[in-house]
Amino acid sequence: AQKITQTQPGMFVQEKEAVTLDCTYDTSDPSYGLFWYKQPSSGEMIFLIYQGSYDQQNATEGRYSLNFQKARKSANLVISASQLGDSAMYFCAVRGSARQLTFGSGTQLTVLP
Amino acid sequence: DVKVTQSSRYLVKRTGEKVFLECVQDMDHENMFWYRQDPGLGLRLIYFSYDVKMKEKGDIPEGYSVSREKKERFSLILESASTNQTSMYLCASSSETGGLNTEAFFGQGTRLTVV
Repeated sequence: AQKITQTQPGMFVQEKEAVTLDCTYDTSDPSYGLFWYKQPSSGEMIFLIYQGSYDQQNATEGRYSLNFQKARKSANLVISASQLGDSAMYFCAVRGSARQLTFGSGTQLTVLP
Repeated sequence: DVKVTQSSRYLVKRTGEKVFLECVQDMDHENMFWYRQDPGLGLRLIYFSYDVKMKEKGDIPEGYSVSREKKERFSLILESASTNQTSMYLCASSSETGGLNTEAFFGQGTRLTVV
């Protein structure tokens, strides 16, 4: 079984500041992948970033980086220099060898001008 | 561009009706998924399929069934719709070729209301 826990239902951040969205996971697979998706108010799901369980370095994609701490089973998303367009729901997900893709409950991020 | 298309954006059905939600992807993906999204609960996996005629239960399969007769099409069936199945339903697909690191692509969602 797999599980994702996102403990922050809502977060606020000032424009141009950095923000960290928390994600902890649980999986019995020795090899797995972690994903972050963004869902704006329009409803589409946008893939942001991926981290493999055996990747030595933390993943980065532009202003997004993933703070991966394997021993703590944590995969936090860091957004640097927040923009108003970053206001959205953010979901963390895990995938193991059984191909099941499991999401968390999400964090609603609001960027304040 | 990968395209995942869900047959309806909005649906209103009556309690007890049999409801079909259709999903088609055009990228020859092996894996397909059905989720429901509810406020505060995130995306919960109903069923997924990794091949034609293959299906696996997700976390909340009760009250649902699925069909995958062709690789590109994955249908979610509500045998007898109930009001607690009112929700947003999201279909997704992903390739298995790249292994664990291939992201899933989502459809636009179907907002189903059961009255």
